[in-house]
Amino acid sequence: DQQVKQNSPSLSVQEGRISILNCDYTNSMFDYFLWYKKYPAEGPTFLISISSIKDKNEDGRFTVFLNKSAKHLSLHIVPSQPGDSAVYFCAASAAGYKYIFGTGTRLKVLA
Amino acid sequence: NAGVTQTPKFQVLKTGQSMTLQCAQDMNHNSMYWYRQDPGMGLRLIYYSASEGTTDKGEVPNGYNVSRLNKREFSLRLESAAPSQTSVYFCASVLQGAYQETQYFGPGTRLLVL
Repeated sequence: DQQVKQNSPSLSVQEGRISILNCDYTNSMFDYFLWYKKYPAEGPTFLISISSIKDKNEDGRFTVFLNKSAKHLSLHIVPSQPGDSAVYFCAASAAGYKYIFGTGTRLKVLA
Repeated sequence: NAGVTQTPKFQVLKTGQSMTLQCAQDMNHNSMYWYRQDPGMGLRLIYYSASEGTTDKGEVPNGYNVSRLNKREFSLRLESAAPSQTSVYFCASVLQGAYQETQYFGPGTRLLVL
């Protein structure tokens, strides 16, 4: 059973517009969430995180929103740039347990 | 400062052959992980090492062994490779914070088992 789901395998957005990547989870014990970005032939790199005690975390163009009641988090990228084209993974963990990763969403930002 | 390095970058094996994937980090982290990534699936944890000399099974450990001989290096061994082990393998070095951890990934090893 997939505990962390990214239901959109791909997303295309025009440069300058907002990109919204979604992630759903089933385990109510998850209390920490991460987003990673991955370029082809490279390892994932950490992008932004959020703790379950918050509902929003911002870092420059990147904002992560957490809706605990819906077990849903989203990553907003504003404005989107061609260099943001990559695969984005969300990951979740419960205290003392290892991270569970979603299947990834491939974002393509069109110039 | 290279971060996390992995060798080889790419390998082709025949069924039944053995090989060791190497991972090294220069960030002085205690914890290191091995993941595999398959099409349509997220990264799945194979084994992890919380500190030098200790290792534990992750989500998908069958068919693999690991060695953490020193703080820098964490190797993954396939004793008898199978086509189901065709995958991209990522090593991660882990910075343990007070409440959460940050993982730093290597560039990956792409393995094809024929």
